[in-house]
Amino acid sequence: QKEVEQNSGPLSVPEGAIASLNCTYSDRGSQSFFWYRQYSGKSPELIMFIYSNGDKEDGRFTAQLNKASQYVSLLIRDSQPSDSATYLCAASWGNTPLVFGKGTRLSVIA
Amino acid sequence: EAGVAQSPRYKIIEKRQSVAFWCNPISGHATLYWYQQILGQGPKLLIQFQNNGVVDDSQLPKDRFSAERLKGVDSTLKIQPAKLEDSAVYLCASSLVGGGNIQYFGAGTRLSVL
Repeated sequence: QKEVEQNSGPLSVPEGAIASLNCTYSDRGSQSFFWYRQYSGKSPELIMFIYSNGDKEDGRFTAQLNKASQYVSLLIRDSQPSDSATYLCAASWGNTPLVFGKGTRLSVIA
Repeated sequence: EAGVAQSPRYKIIEKRQSVAFWCNPISGHATLYWYQQILGQGPKLLIQFQNNGVVDDSQLPKDRFSAERLKGVDSTLKIQPAKLEDSAVYLCASSLVGGGNIQYFGAGTRLSVL
């Protein structure tokens, strides 16, 4: 059974701080990892994907992957109130459907 | 480029009634997915199509749910008869074959079963 685990939060950070969101996955065969942002009542929006060990940066977002530890994280630098949302971690194995975690609710306090 | 289109946005029905949802994927995306998202949970796959063939329907409750993608483009998902526990958001997503499994989601249909 392939599973993705996330702390449901809420995670509260002050505006301008770094928000760190974490995710673990059960299957070492996982190849691709995705972070989606979901505002309340809206559909998931892709913000980052990562396939290789290490860090991948895109603007204020950095995804970190450690396949040996089966761990993937998302850092949000200079957090803004508009970043307040639920962040969904997902993993896939080849071209299989995504397996999602339950999501972590982030609240950025102005 | 137009995104994934879904309709209706909202639907309220009584239990034991039937309901259908429609999805039009991003142009050129051969792979189409239907997910169910219950409040407070992550999306869960119901069915995956590639063109008009079913790739994975292992989590589709086949006694009440059905889906088709007859011409390899649009898709419909049907529930008949609906149960209270079917209340959820039904999300359609699409991706390119060989596109790194990057999936783009539609706005979803919020179903309430009373």
